[in-house]
Amino acid sequence: DAGVTQSPTHLIKTRGQQVTLRCSPKSGHDTVSWYQQALGQGPQFIFQYYEEEERQRGNFPDRFSGHQFPNYSSELNVNALLLGDSALYLCASSSFGQGEAFFGQGTRLTVV
Amino acid sequence: AQSVTQPDIHITVSEGASLELRCNYSYGATPYLFWYVQSPGQGLQLLLKYFSGDTLVQGIKGFEAEFKRSQSSFNLRKPSVHWSDAAEYFCAVGLSGYSTLTFGKGTMLLVSP
Repeated sequence: DAGVTQSPTHLIKTRGQQVTLRCSPKSGHDTVSWYQQALGQGPQFIFQYYEEEERQRGNFPDRFSGHQFPNYSSELNVNALLLGDSALYLCASSSFGQGEAFFGQGTRLTVV
Repeated sequence: AQSVTQPDIHITVSEGASLELRCNYSYGATPYLFWYVQSPGQGLQLLLKYFSGDTLVQGIKGFEAEFKRSQSSFNLRKPSVHWSDAAEYFCAVGLSGYSTLTFGKGTMLLVSP
């Protein structure tokens, strides 16, 4: 079992650009959640996808969007990047209706 | 809205000594409670969880935590710390039936020889 896998591991983008991060959930999981972890902070919930729909959303602007594919994998898209978007982006997978989430290693995004 | 407070930003413990990391939560019902550990540059690893039942839960790597409803606390403990336990520890609360989590700001554990 490969667990939750995220790609890429590191990324450097310029302000104003767009970025796409990818996540493959743990085998048997159907729900993917995305979190942003700024330096020195705890992870903050961005949104959750289940059955290819956004089910819940945290306090993030519309520049943050996502998608879930039929194989349960997911993408996080961020448009018009700001310096403040620099963070570790974590993907977590779970079975819908169960509280236990397994996290990937994250994607470190640096905006310059 | 739920919230999680970890009052200690940094804690230094001597190797072999006992450890207690504090976590207080604010939530209107009985939440799902979690402790995660994060090594530098890594993702989060689940140490233990509380959903219901016995208020003392055992986790991996010799960790345990106790849920105290009256104090809205879920403190993490380990009787004897190893150098490899040095990492950042996050307490989190989740809604029943969902896996969206609210995290505390974390406690960095340093282990001295």
